[in-house]
Amino acid sequence: NAGVTQTPKFQVLKTGQSMTLQCAQDMNHNSMYWYRQDPGMGLRLIYYSASEGTTDKGEVPNGYNVSRLNKREFSLRLESAAPSQTSVYFCASSDYPGDTEAFFGQGTRLTVV
Amino acid sequence: AQSVTQLDSQVPVFEEAPVELRCNYSSSVSVYLFWYVQYPNQGLQLLLKYLSGSTLVKGINGFEAEFNKSQTSFHLRKPSVHISDTAEYFCAVSDQVDSSYKLIFGSGTRLLVRP
Repeated sequence: NAGVTQTPKFQVLKTGQSMTLQCAQDMNHNSMYWYRQDPGMGLRLIYYSASEGTTDKGEVPNGYNVSRLNKREFSLRLESAAPSQTSVYFCASSDYPGDTEAFFGQGTRLTVV
Repeated sequence: AQSVTQLDSQVPVFEEAPVELRCNYSSSVSVYLFWYVQYPNQGLQLLLKYLSGSTLVKGINGFEAEFNKSQTSFHLRKPSVHISDTAEYFCAVSDQVDSSYKLIFGSGTRLLVRP
């Protein structure tokens, strides 16, 4: 069972470089999310997509863009990476938002130097 | 908007002792609450959830949580912990914005179980 798959697992970027984090789920879920995890701060929501064709900002959207390519895929783009974006990024999906369980990917550890 | 507070960043406990991890949320008319666990270098997985009904919710691995509306709390408990319970635990609330929801997490509590 693949569940939620994130690529890459690790990445090192130089300040100012751009990159796209990929996320795909095979559970036919409607909603998808991107979080960042930093020590002592828990998981903070960057962007989410309640359903195919919609995206909304979360708590910390600055410096990021997202694309809900289709029902399966939800990508996160850093246009000009900054050291403050060094973090572990998690993608998640759920059937419907609200009362259903969210399933998480294994995470992408990003370092910006 | 909803928010979640986990007051304890780290809880050390001896094996076979009971443990309680505290979680408080900001009040709302209705609320969905969750506890997730994260083992080292892994993603999060659901322990239990409260949607409605009985205020005592049982989850996997012997964990349970009690929803207390008057105190806006959703504390996680286990009567006897094992070494394998060492992990980070996150409380989360489902926040409704217009017609959609988003999942908001607390800052996490690291449970350290010692032999």
